[in-house]
Amino acid sequence: AQSVTQPDIHITVSEGASLELRCNYSYGATPYLFWYVQSPGQGLQLLLKYFSGDTLVQGIKGFEAEFKRSQSSFNLRKPSVHWSDAAEYFCAVGAPVNDYKLSFGAGTTVTVRA
Amino acid sequence: EADIYQTPRYLVIGTGKKITLECSQTMGHDKMYWYQQDPGMELHLIHYSYGVNSTEKGDLSSESTVSRIRTEHFPLTLESARPSHTSQYLCASSEFNRDYYGYTFGSGTRLTVV
Repeated sequence: AQSVTQPDIHITVSEGASLELRCNYSYGATPYLFWYVQSPGQGLQLLLKYFSGDTLVQGIKGFEAEFKRSQSSFNLRKPSVHWSDAAEYFCAVGAPVNDYKLSFGAGTTVTVRA
Repeated sequence: EADIYQTPRYLVIGTGKKITLECSQTMGHDKMYWYQQDPGMELHLIHYSYGVNSTEKGDLSSESTVSRIRTEHFPLTLESARPSHTSQYLCASSEFNRDYYGYTFGSGTRLTVV
């Protein structure tokens, strides 16, 4: 079965600084990988996804993520954080073996300080 | 714009009451899901449906039940609410084909049982 680990529970970053959120997955083949963002009291918004092809994917709000098969990782990055990026971020994986049902990591809460 | 709608957004209810959380989508998706999310925790799949009259239990055991009488509607019911049911419930729908694999999430229902 697939699983997702987000090692960082909470990250604090200064506005304008770079941000990297880690995500490691466990699956025998290349799964479908997603990053979602959740603002307080809201649902999940898709930032980006990776299915195949170019391992560096661009998403909305200036985010990008890089798939590294050798490290089973799909880390999310943003070069310059804005105060509005304060939210919770979830990495998720889906795979044919699980009929494409998503499994989520525990999430990383991002705090942005002025 | 196609979307997925959950009502109510917030619900505070007494122990022992019967409640139904509503979820509707306008995209014609066959697959729909209910996730439970405790504060600061990952999302756990509690129910899913692959079409009308199809419902299955998810990875996390739940005392709730679901029904799928119409494609667009996937309500979740708790016959007798308890404080342990206090959580956020997120509904989602998905579509998969050769060219597309994606989920759409509702804004969630935050349930508090007192």
